[in-house]
Amino acid sequence: DIAMTQSPDSLAVSLGERATINCKPSQSVLDSSNNKNYLGWYQQKPGQPPKLLIYWASTREYGVPDRFSGSGSGTDFTLTIDSLQAEDVAVYYCHQYYSTPHTFGQGTKLEIK
Amino acid sequence: EVQLLESGGGLVQPGGSRRLSCAASGFAFSTYAMSWGRQAPGKGLEWISDISDGGDSTNYAGSVKGRFTISRDNSKNTLYLQMNSLRAEDTALYYCAKKGCSSTRCYTNYWGQGTLVTVSS
Repeated sequence: DIAMTQSPDSLAVSLGERATINCKPSQSVLDSSNNKNYLGWYQQKPGQPPKLLIYWASTREYGVPDRFSGSGSGTDFTLTIDSLQAEDVAVYYCHQYYSTPHTFGQGTKLEIK
Repeated sequence: EVQLLESGGGLVQPGGSRRLSCAASGFAFSTYAMSWGRQAPGKGLEWISDISDGGDSTNYAGSVKGRFTISRDNSKNTLYLQMNSLRAEDTALYYCAKKGCSSTRCYTNYWGQGTLVTVSS
């Protein structure tokens, strides 16, 4: 199984500042046959289901603000939220769909400082 | 608009069974892979199973393999999860989810609101 390790577990950032969340799969999630990283990022607010933000490691889902961006490859990935807004308070999860079981990171709780 | 409406949750005794259903609308159900995930109270997300568009390919998490069965009826736009031999640790909010491709090896782009399953005597 691919273990997904996120850091930090929690993060407090001032409004308007940048938040950075890291995700490290225990094995590469890059498929060299198509050069795609099988990694997504989700946002979950209290009492709501997860919402897809980023897929294929760096493709922003339709309707997601461009202050959200994903980067990385192989075993090292980052979700960056530029100019943090109050509505960005949530738990963020990375998720690999490269091989089953399709594992999630443990989550990073983002708060306002 | 994509809508996923789960049903079938409730209180079940340990060792019991339950079938969850997910009524899908707003998209061409038969052309997308689907999945089930869950979230125990106060815990993180767990993927538990997925199924290809035609239903010929299925996958399971080790924690449910041999106890849970995923299936779909494309004529009814409905996804199912048959859960047998339920344990206390299966207590969770169960989400139905749509993938972005016909293959199971794909991201999940929509989640339902979930249905709560509580396993307790």
